[in-house]
Amino acid sequence: GAVVSQHPSWVICKSGTSVKIECRSLDFQATTMFWYRQFPKQSLMLMATSNEGSKATYEQGVEKDKFLINHASLTLSTLTVTSAHPEDSSFYICSARDRWRTTQETQYFGPGTRLLVL
Amino acid sequence: KNQVEQSPQSLIILEGKNCTLQCNYTVSPFSNLRWYKQDTGRGPVSLTIMTFSENTKSNGRYTATLDADTKQSSLHITASQLSDSASYICVVSAWGSQGNLIFGKGTKLSVKP
Repeated sequence: GAVVSQHPSWVICKSGTSVKIECRSLDFQATTMFWYRQFPKQSLMLMATSNEGSKATYEQGVEKDKFLINHASLTLSTLTVTSAHPEDSSFYICSARDRWRTTQETQYFGPGTRLLVL
Repeated sequence: KNQVEQSPQSLIILEGKNCTLQCNYTVSPFSNLRWYKQDTGRGPVSLTIMTFSENTKSNGRYTATLDADTKQSSLHITASQLSDSASYICVVSAWGSQGNLIFGKGTKLSVKP
């Protein structure tokens, strides 16, 4: 149980294009999902918190107009990197919090999406 | 400032040997501490999660300890296997943080045959 999937697992795109990454909770409902970015040899950095049916909350320094987040249902959140540039190349990981298991604030992580912008 | 520090940064051991990874944190108010294993190019996978009242928790060959007084945790790996090669991340959650986690930078473990 508690499986989170991401699609695609990797993507290569040209500079200036937009890329959409999907995060799905497969066997549980997630009112809250989190988006992280991880650069090589660095730890995960929280980009934004996505709440179902409302606007995402972005961490300081993360451009909300560049990283568009949509959490339209209890099992799906999407991250769109708009007008991607080479410096956006990174490993993007989402996590989802089980709606019914919040006592320990358990988050389940997806497998990540590798983005390479040429 | 809430911080999580891990040591060592990297570690190389021979297959079959034991090892211990360290985690110190300054997170308040403390909620829980988790250890994750992250294979290269993959998302983190939870190994253990401990709350304030728990001193030790095991998951197969992985045993985590927590000393809430000194704000230290360790992850002990017994009889290491080649598949244990990965980054091990210590993550601490604070009460009232709305699920925000504070990540350590991880310890990169390499198990050699």
